[in-house]
Amino acid sequence: GAVVSQHPSRVICKSGTSVKIECRSLDFQATTMFWYRQFPKQSLMLMATSNEGSKATYEQGVEKDKFLINHASLTLSTLTVTSAHPEDSSFYICSARLGQREPLHFGNGTRLTVT
Amino acid sequence: AQSVTQLDSHVSVSEGTPVLLRCNYSSSYSPSLFWYVQHPNKGLQLLLKYTSAATLVKGINGFEAEFKKSETSFHLTKPSAHMSDAAEYFCVVSPNAGGTSYGKLTFGQGTILTVHP
Repeated sequence: GAVVSQHPSRVICKSGTSVKIECRSLDFQATTMFWYRQFPKQSLMLMATSNEGSKATYEQGVEKDKFLINHASLTLSTLTVTSAHPEDSSFYICSARLGQREPLHFGNGTRLTVT
Repeated sequence: AQSVTQLDSHVSVSEGTPVLLRCNYSSSYSPSLFWYVQHPNKGLQLLLKYTSAATLVKGINGFEAEFKKSETSFHLTKPSAHMSDAAEYFCVVSPNAGGTSYGKLTFGQGTILTVHP
């Protein structure tokens, strides 16, 4: 149980375009999902907390107008990287948890390359 | 406030020998602690979790970890390494307090495990 599916696994886009990444909880409902970014050879950095039916909570230093998060249902959160630039190239990972004391379950990540 | 320190960025072992990945933490609250494994270009898979029950926690693939409050440690061990264990491992702490701390996991820097034949 507790499977999180993330799509796409890889995407290459041109500078200036927007890319949408989907995160789905397949067998449970997640009122809260989390988006992380991981640079090469580094640990995960929390970008934002996605809340179903309300605005996302962004971590300090993360541009909310650049990284648009929508959590329209209890099983789907999306991250849209708007007007992507090469420095946005990274590995993006979403996660969700069943309860407050439960571990996070992660998607398989999305490798974004902006050319 | 909370923090996690993984004491080794790289660990190299021979197949069949024991594995020890070290993790120390600090937390203002009684924490939950987790170990995750990440294979290249993949998400993170939960190995095991400690949530204030038994201090010796057994996980998947033969891994286990012991929560030692006096040492603020949560080291990951495995008696015998397998080639498939080669990956990056993350020690993670989560506060058990609610409110704004919810979901605010703190990740260690990661330890890359290499297993030699």
